[in-house]
Amino acid sequence: SQTIHQWPATLVQPVGSPLSLECTVEGTSNPNLYWYRQAAGRGLQLLFYSVGIGQISSEVPQNLSASRPQDRQFILSSKKLLLSDSGFYLCAWGDANQPQHFGDGTRLSIL
Amino acid sequence: RKEVEQDPGPFNVPEGATVAFNCTYSNSASQSFFWYRQDCRKEPKLLMSVYSSGNEDGRFTAQLNRASQYISLLIRDSKLSDSATYLCVVIGHNFNKFYFGSGTKLNVKP
Repeated sequence: SQTIHQWPATLVQPVGSPLSLECTVEGTSNPNLYWYRQAAGRGLQLLFYSVGIGQISSEVPQNLSASRPQDRQFILSSKKLLLSDSGFYLCAWGDANQPQHFGDGTRLSIL
Repeated sequence: RKEVEQDPGPFNVPEGATVAFNCTYSNSASQSFFWYRQDCRKEPKLLMSVYSSGNEDGRFTAQLNRASQYISLLIRDSKLSDSATYLCVVIGHNFNKFYFGSGTKLNVKP
């Protein structure tokens, strides 16, 4: 069966520091991969999605970037975090037109 | 205009009540529809897909109205454990992109 792993579960970072969140999927090949952010009490905002290695679609202009160095690995990065980057970051996988399945999420606090 | 809109609630209902949520979508070309459930500080989890003919899973019934561009979720005999936020999800003409509603919060009280 397919599983998705996302880490770390929580992260506290100072403003201006870099960020790297990693997500890996097991049990499937060539999945679509997604990064979402959810601010407290708000809905999910799609940040990036990828349909294959090296293919990244950016949905919202911001100081974040994503990379897909391997088929089942999706990384979310930032060179310099802002206070507004705080939130609940969720990685998901899915096939086109099929339900998405989420990792446990990373709760990021910027101080 | 947002792709998907939901009443944020909260809906406060007693145990055993029947409650219904609606969700409207703006793109008439939308292809697939789902309901997700999200518990506080947790990831969303798929509750059920929504089929054109309507579908039922135990106490949960989902329906699609393409003419009026909305989907609905009906929960019968509410349980305390049903308390959560329910997210409506729509896939548009780009099958790779999901559009999530901001969620409807349900509180089931004893």
